[in-house]
Amino acid sequence: DADVTQTPRNRITKTGKRIMLECSQTKGHDRMYWYRQDPGLGLRLIYYSFDVKDINKGEISDGYSVSRQAQAKFSLSLESAIPNQTALYFCATSDSGSKYEQYFGPGTRLTVT
Amino acid sequence: QKEVEQDPGPLSVPEGAIVSLNCTYSNSAFQYFMWYRQYSRKGPELLMYTYSSGNKEDGRFTAQVDKSSKYISLFIRDSQPSDSATYLCAMSLDNAGNMLTFGGGTRLMVKP
Repeated sequence: DADVTQTPRNRITKTGKRIMLECSQTKGHDRMYWYRQDPGLGLRLIYYSFDVKDINKGEISDGYSVSRQAQAKFSLSLESAIPNQTALYFCATSDSGSKYEQYFGPGTRLTVT
Repeated sequence: QKEVEQDPGPLSVPEGAIVSLNCTYSNSAFQYFMWYRQYSRKGPELLMYTYSSGNKEDGRFTAQVDKSSKYISLFIRDSQPSDSATYLCAMSLDNAGNMLTFGGGTRLMVKP
């Protein structure tokens, strides 16, 4: 089984709808991240969490919210989806002892029409 | 201006060629430099990392950092079709946890 899983893998939704993307990990890492990827822009950090009680905004948090339900689970919500939130979303994890290695899930392709 | 710049490509080379992938950056405080490889429809995976300046070699891959020029490179020798992927450079500060700043990625195609 994959160490970092994301559900759903693909989602099409309409403008104004609320949507939740879920991430689970079995690596035992304390740190979790949500990124979005757009062509030519690389990965941009949305939110990150260094432990269950710690949530921090990243570079592009507007329009998004997160919940860290447990050490292994970190979900991303779009309260009212808009078309420019169409992107590939990745969850990642890392160990607090590592300064550089993050482990990524397979991604969720979200389309907002 | 983005903090980390990377040519998006695509870069197309014949099998066996030496490939050079590059990134420039503007924040001189970056200390850790990484290359992630991303295959189509997959998440990125760490390929190599380097701390501060210098070279690091791992098989067919060499990572090079020139902090004075704010320039990093990844060289791939004897490139293979299986190297076809998007390569993302990433950087982090030395004491800010593991917050990574990514380049936009370069798409590489190695043709048999």
